[in-house]
Amino acid sequence: QKEVEQNSGPLSVPEGAIASLNCTYSDRGSQSFFWYRQYSGKSPELIMSIYSNGDKEDGRFTAQLNKASQYVSLLIRDSQPSDSATYLCAVKSIGFSGGYNKLIFGAGTRLAVHP
Amino acid sequence: GAVVSQHPSRVICKSGTSVKIECRSLDFQATTMFWYRQFPKKSLMLMATSNEGSKATYEQGVEKDKFLINHASLTLSTLTVTSAHPEDSSFYICSVNQLAGGYEQYFGPGTRLTVT
Repeated sequence: QKEVEQNSGPLSVPEGAIASLNCTYSDRGSQSFFWYRQYSGKSPELIMSIYSNGDKEDGRFTAQLNKASQYVSLLIRDSQPSDSATYLCAVKSIGFSGGYNKLIFGAGTRLAVHP
Repeated sequence: GAVVSQHPSRVICKSGTSVKIECRSLDFQATTMFWYRQFPKKSLMLMATSNEGSKATYEQGVEKDKFLINHASLTLSTLTVTSAHPEDSSFYICSVNQLAGGYEQYFGPGTRLTVT
């Protein structure tokens, strides 16, 4: 079982729609959760972090965390063609690292927003 | 977030030569930096954790004698790919961990290595 799982996509949504990206993780001890956006040929850019159950909103982005279900999601409202990228879910837990702040990344979901 | 630079951004070298990549934390002192490798259309793979003033911690399967890491100061870590081969061609990215605001990691812009 993979530690952090994401649907590879592509997830295709029309411009202006809500894009919903999902991620599940295997370690119940996970404490910190992150979403990164990666454009082709570029390095990842942190867009959201979430540490407690519930929703966290930042502009057009909303991260949702449900630790009981071991599930974290990212919603992008009013999707734009410039949002087309690969979105990486990353999880940190003490169980993975044994002491330092190592992140475990999912394989990423490719999002395509078409005009 | 933290500002991280890498140099060079792109390098082409011949098989058998060594290449050094620098990673700098520009706006805070980083006791820990991370080195990742990413092959085309694949996810990030953590290679090693670079610790200031001590030996790096390598992930399983990463050859420490081939990928030399030096973290001599709180703002600079270097990765040297020794005796590079075409299969080492990849996108190498470093990151720093800014504890003040949580456990967010911020990535440098990456170095594209091509070994001919």
